[in-house]
Amino acid sequence: SQTIHQWPATLVQPVGSPLSLECTVEGTSNPNLYWYRQAAGRGLQLLFYSVGIGQISSEVPQNLSASRPQDRQFILSSKKLLLSDSGFYLCAWTPDRGTNYGYTFGSGTRLTVV
Amino acid sequence: DAKTTQPNSMESNEEEPVHLPCNHSTISGTDYIHWYRQLPSQGPEYVIHGLTSNVNNRMASLAIAEDRKSSTLILHRATLRDAAVYYCILRGSNSGYALNFGKGTSLLVTP
Repeated sequence: SQTIHQWPATLVQPVGSPLSLECTVEGTSNPNLYWYRQAAGRGLQLLFYSVGIGQISSEVPQNLSASRPQDRQFILSSKKLLLSDSGFYLCAWTPDRGTNYGYTFGSGTRLTVV
Repeated sequence: DAKTTQPNSMESNEEEPVHLPCNHSTISGTDYIHWYRQLPSQGPEYVIHGLTSNVNNRMASLAIAEDRKSSTLILHRATLRDAAVYYCILRGSNSGYALNFGKGTSLLVTP
């Protein structure tokens, strides 16, 4: 069966510090991968998506970046965090075999920038 | 992307059926209708999805209007654990087939 892992679960980082959040999927190959952010009391905002290794598309200009060094690994990074980067970060995946599949979300990382 | 319209909130009594409506008048022929729910402090959870025909699974039923301009998520017997924000999303081919979330419907279930 397929599983998705995200870590860490919670993170408190000072302003200006770097960030690295990791997401891995098991039990499938060539998944479509997504990063979302949910600010406190707000909706889910799509940040990045990837349809293959090394292929990253950004939806929102910001000081975050994403990388996909391996087929089932998706990393969200920042060189210098801002207060506005605080939020609940979620990774999701869906099979790359057409449109008739549901999406599975990770358990999320709650980031607080202080 | 085609957009959906949902009520901000709904309330139901425990053990009663719940019908959550969604309007999507600009849906295209290839858009799938997806439903997810999000419990507090958790990631969204897949509920159900469909294209044209009504769908049933262990969690819920999805009723799709004949013209596909609206749909209804049906929880047959609401429990306290069904209290969540429910999102109706049209899944097209934009943005790598990403889901674009709206504000959803906050469902309150009372004992």
